[in-house]
Amino acid sequence: SQQGEEDPQALSIQEGENATMNCSYKTSINNLQWYRQNSGRGLVHLILIRSNEREKHSGRLRVTLDTSKKSSSLLITASRAADTASYFCATDRGGGADGLTFGKGTHLIIQP
Amino acid sequence: GAVVSQHPSWVICKSGTSVKIECRSLDFQATTMFWYRQFPKQSLMLMATSNEGSKATYEQGVEKDKFLINHASLTLSTLTVTSAHPEDSSFYICSAEPRLAGVADTQYFGPGTRLTVL
Repeated sequence: SQQGEEDPQALSIQEGENATMNCSYKTSINNLQWYRQNSGRGLVHLILIRSNEREKHSGRLRVTLDTSKKSSSLLITASRAADTASYFCATDRGGGADGLTFGKGTHLIIQP
Repeated sequence: GAVVSQHPSWVICKSGTSVKIECRSLDFQATTMFWYRQFPKQSLMLMATSNEGSKATYEQGVEKDKFLINHASLTLSTLTVTSAHPEDSSFYICSAEPRLAGVADTQYFGPGTRLTVL
């Protein structure tokens, strides 16, 4: 079943503004991760939040996790043109070494 | 640290030929590697889990005889697309999980291989 549905699917904002992306999932997880992908390239790991954590920060990134609602949000503050990319949340399946289930992604465009 | 490489980065082949893609963890050992496929403007879909020294585990709907996976060492997994057809054209991405991870943890992704089948 599809997990990690992000919204919005596309987001266009002005440079300097904050960008918020949301992700929902369906089953229990050990952790949730956010990745960035520039067009046609590999994935860059941004942040991992474990199921017993509620909020995590890394530089301009802030991730929240609400396991009761099975949702997460990624906030990018003071956006830059270089933040233009697709952002994916990914969840494990709750056990051991396991492949990730990716959401459909949010395509973020930062207008200069 | 935690670098994963893929080779080749892109390949164009004729329909009916086989293509091998390599995934290497350069500075860590990975008991488990994963193969994903990404069609244009879509998300990544897990194809299979590659386990060192044992058979790969394939996701539902992925043909194991078409996508052969070999994980011969703790730093190398290969994906062979046999008898490739145009519908196999896609972006193939591998990831590796460091061997010492006690629980499911960060996966490190390769840069991807773009396969085009003519």
